[in-house]
Amino acid sequence: QSDLTQPASVSGSPGQSITISCTGTSSDIGGYDYVSWYQQHPGKAPKLMIYDVTNRPSGVSNRFSGSKSGNTASLTISGLQADDEADYYCSSYTSSVTVIFGGGTKVTVL
Amino acid sequence: QVQLQESGPGLVKPSETLFLTCTVSGGSMSSFYWSWLRQPPGKGLEWIGFISYSGYTHYVPSLKSRVSISHDTSNNQFSLKLSSVSAADTAIYFCARHLDSGGNLYYFDFWGQGTAVTVSS
Repeated sequence: QSDLTQPASVSGSPGQSITISCTGTSSDIGGYDYVSWYQQHPGKAPKLMIYDVTNRPSGVSNRFSGSKSGNTASLTISGLQADDEADYYCSSYTSSVTVIFGGGTKVTVL
Repeated sequence: QVQLQESGPGLVKPSETLFLTCTVSGGSMSSFYWSWLRQPPGKGLEWIGFISYSGYTHYVPSLKSRVSISHDTSNNQFSLKLSSVSAADTAIYFCARHLDSGGNLYYFDFWGQGTAVTVSS
């Protein structure tokens, strides 16, 4: 069982938008605007896609956007593309001065 | 472009100590924080701990009694030592650089490709 709760899988057709949720507590997601999201293709290292809830690192497509409400953060992928098929992990700073991750969501492009 | 590469044994016996090294190339270790993370088979990511360029370390409480991270900045390397390993420590181990976001420390912008470690007799 992971510290943050994500759906196991989300799917969508090319061009559609999908949203992945990530639920924590007031000691992590709800307490700080320090949520990030990572994309991981099979056998590869994770790639930082979103940080500080909504910020994109240089080079990350603006099709990826993040948001937060209360103890739940979300990642939205718009204009879904084949290469977006991957596992996505959320993470959050915690009141214990550590970082925790979700269990991951497998995104399938139909 | 910064690159990180993990190295170390792929197989460790139960109760022994795991040693891994991460070599940083394409940039200096100065002014950055450096972490080890792991991913058990089919599971999510777990942060293990970090070391700053100045040598300050911080570990996840669940592993704090068994883990140590050190660095050799002259050779652009940092290392992980995990003692008394068990099957639960079987995972892919990643080294990563912390993003200099100006705020929260715990974002990782460059990662190694990962090295698989199996704990088994």
